[in-house]
Amino acid sequence: DAKTTQPNSMESNEEEPVHLPCNHSTISGTDYIHWYRQLPSQGPEYVIHGLTSNVNNRMASLAIAEDRKSSTLILHRATLRDAAVYYCILSNRDDKIIFGKGTRLHILP
Amino acid sequence: DTGVSQDPRHKITKRGQNVTFRCDPISEHNRLYWYRQTLGQGPEFLTYFQNEAQLEKSRLLSDRFSAERPKGSFSTLEIQRTEQGDSAMYLCASSLVVGAAGAFFGQGTRLTVV
Repeated sequence: DAKTTQPNSMESNEEEPVHLPCNHSTISGTDYIHWYRQLPSQGPEYVIHGLTSNVNNRMASLAIAEDRKSSTLILHRATLRDAAVYYCILSNRDDKIIFGKGTRLHILP
Repeated sequence: DTGVSQDPRHKITKRGQNVTFRCDPISEHNRLYWYRQTLGQGPEFLTYFQNEAQLEKSRLLSDRFSAERPKGSFSTLEIQRTEQGDSAMYLCASSLVVGAAGAFFGQGTRLTVV
């Protein structure tokens, strides 16, 4: 059963910021929020993860709502290479990683 | 260490034959996962290991599928008596304890059953 809800697809213009939403209203206190992406013809790629606080790395930022029931992956300046399926996944230390359908991000030149 | 590697990258086999895939995880990663992915779908969980122990196998997986990780390092996934429906990309991933760390995926093995 999917524990997260994401839009099926989104579009964004090149060189603009992208905000990818994820709802996870049943998140437990020990669940981490993970984001992966899958470029065409490649295996999934780890993007970022967090627990309670917002997180930044060289690829993206993760903004986590105060009640942790939603989060947003932020790509600060989208490029054509960011076109991919983005997966939001909840996982705790003892869990396997289960993928949902993700959000297909289209980048318009 | 260059990441998770899978071998072979491509495999074409005749229906009814057995196939075996290998996955070499990132060294010191104690978790290892196998997934299957068909066109247009997200990766489907098959099984995972912590060190050499197989923690779970998907109920969707038939008895023709078996995986091993004998010394807690590399892993093999065997499919016996392959069927056309087994045609897919088979992905392997490894991680430290997953909640607090991301998983890293290999490029996959593409299986075509003819």
